[in-house]
Amino acid sequence: DVKVTQSSRYLVKRTGEKVFLECVQDMDHENMFWYRQDPGLGLRLIYFSYDVKMKEKGDIPEGYSVSREKKERFSLILESASTNQTSMYLCASRAYTGELFFGEGSRLTVL
Amino acid sequence: AQSVTQPDIHITVSEGASLELRCNYSYGATPYLFWYVQSPGQGLQLLLKYFSGDTLVQGIKGFEAEFKRSQSSFNLRKPSVHWSDAAEYFCAVGSPNQAGTALIFGKGTTLSVSS
Repeated sequence: DVKVTQSSRYLVKRTGEKVFLECVQDMDHENMFWYRQDPGLGLRLIYFSYDVKMKEKGDIPEGYSVSREKKERFSLILESASTNQTSMYLCASRAYTGELFFGEGSRLTVL
Repeated sequence: AQSVTQPDIHITVSEGASLELRCNYSYGATPYLFWYVQSPGQGLQLLLKYFSGDTLVQGIKGFEAEFKRSQSSFNLRKPSVHWSDAAEYFCAVGSPNQAGTALIFGKGTTLSVSS
């Protein structure tokens, strides 16, 4: 079965802390994505990666960075967390047939 | 600009009744089309997808969707809704040339099922 695993389901951090959200896929997919989900706003693309060490900004990259050192792992980094980054974060990888496979999500609260 | 519109934010349907969730898209060419479902606190699960061919596609859990090019629509249907179908539903579009591109999602429709 296809598997996208996000390391943390729930996190609580303080303003100014550095936050790492990890995502691992076991399907050998080249494309991986980080979305942010907020009520009434749907899914908004933060960053995506189409190959190891390659990354592209999405619609809302400000305040975020990413790392893709290995094909199976795509990390989202909040250099200095702020309260407006409290949200659900969804990682996905894209199959060669076009659809996305999602992880369970990481709910981040920044106090 | 590329976009996806789900006109209904929230729909309530009686258990056993039929369901139709609307999706309209704006895209330069015929895109790949998807419907996803999300249960509370979970990630998104693919219900069905359309790439080409027959415009009526079948998915999991008894759902189907019809692609209408003339209306730029891809509406999701189910003939008889079950209480377990209560969830949030997202329509998405993507490029057939998938290298280095992301899916664009609508804002979602929340489905409630009444007994």
